[in-house]
Amino acid sequence: AQSVTQLGSHVSVSEGALVLLRCNYSSSVPPYLFWYVQYPNQGLQLLLKYTSAATLVKGINGFEAEFKKSETSFHLTKPSAHMSDAAEYFCAVSEMNRDDKIIFGKGTRLHILP
Amino acid sequence: KAGVTQTPRYLIKTRGQQVTLSCSPISGHRSVSWYQQTPGQGLQFLFEYFSETQRNKGNFPGRFSGRQFSNSRSEMNVSTLELGDSALYLCASSLATQNGEAFFGQGTRLTVV
Repeated sequence: AQSVTQLGSHVSVSEGALVLLRCNYSSSVPPYLFWYVQYPNQGLQLLLKYTSAATLVKGINGFEAEFKKSETSFHLTKPSAHMSDAAEYFCAVSEMNRDDKIIFGKGTRLHILP
Repeated sequence: KAGVTQTPRYLIKTRGQQVTLSCSPISGHRSVSWYQQTPGQGLQFLFEYFSETQRNKGNFPGRFSGRQFSNSRSEMNVSTLELGDSALYLCASSLATQNGEAFFGQGTRLTVV
């Protein structure tokens, strides 16, 4: 069965600094991997997804993530944080070629310091 | 194209009551999944419906049930409500399988008092 671990339930970065949100996954078969963002009182919005094409995936709002099979990681980065990036971020995994559910990590709340 | 619509947005119920939440997926989407989101547990998968059949189920008690209609709209029912059922319930729709992108509604905030 697949699982997702997000390191750090809260992360604070200064405006303009690098954003790095960590995600490690466990899957018995090649995975699909996702990053979603949730703003207050909203549903989740897809930032980016990995589906076995390129290992470096670019998403919306300047975010990107790199799939590293050897490290079973899919960390999310953004070179320069904006105040509008303050939100909760969820990493998720689904097993490729199976009609299976998407499993979410517990989320990381990103705080942007002025 | 309209997004995923969940109704109602907010709900207050008393312990012991039952509740029904509704989700209208994006037109053409056949898969609907439900999640419970709480501060302590994060996002927990409840179940997924595809073409009116429950295809996947999470680890929730039988008080939580759902169904999907022929137009892909889905309802989730919780019977004998407990205080711990207070949560944001999110519905997500996707084209065919969960391996594709899931589009989420804004959720129904359920408060049990």
